[in-house]
Amino acid sequence: NAGVTQTPKFQVLKTGQSMTLQCAQDMNHEYMSWYRQDPGMGLRLIHYSVGAGITDQGEVPNGYNVSRSTTEDFPLRLLSAAPSQTSVYFCASSSLASDTQYFGPGTRLTVL
Amino acid sequence: AQSVTQPDIHITVSEGASLELRCNYSYGATPYLFWYVQSPGQGLQLLLKYFSGDTLVQGIKGFEAEFKRSQSSFNLRKPSVHWSDAAEYFCAVGGIGNNRKLIWGLGTSLAVNP
Repeated sequence: NAGVTQTPKFQVLKTGQSMTLQCAQDMNHEYMSWYRQDPGMGLRLIHYSVGAGITDQGEVPNGYNVSRSTTEDFPLRLLSAAPSQTSVYFCASSSLASDTQYFGPGTRLTVL
Repeated sequence: AQSVTQPDIHITVSEGASLELRCNYSYGATPYLFWYVQSPGQGLQLLLKYFSGDTLVQGIKGFEAEFKRSQSSFNLRKPSVHWSDAAEYFCAVGGIGNNRKLIWGLGTSLAVNP
């Protein structure tokens, strides 16, 4: 049981490049979400999903896309990276029957 | 507005000393409250949570927290700190509703002197 996994751990992009941050969980959780963590701002919700095929925006969704084709995976896509997207990104999951969210180890992204 | 305040940005304690990390919240409904810990370069690990019932909750690693509705507080305590407790501690509120959004404090960085 690996819990919530995220890849890559670190990534450096140039402005305008695209990439996908991967998130997977093996707990059969319905709910998955993405947060970004910035100094002085705390963690902020980007997107979330309550099940396969269902996604919705959080409080800072601009510049990010998500999809949920399977229960296990919830990738976060940056279509055209900007320096403002330099951050640490955390994926989380939980069962809809529980209010406890489990977090992955994070991806540290730098956009030059 | 919903918010979480952790008044102490940085705390240093000696190993073996007691610890209290403060958390105050503003939330319209009955809150779900959480404490998470983040060790350097690591993800967020849940220490404990409060949903209802006994206002003193026990967590992992010897931590406990007390919910005080009248003070809108959920302070984290540990009677004797170990060097391995050095980390960043985050208080969060929410996690209910369809989006399960957690509102986070900015964290308290704990250093432990030998």
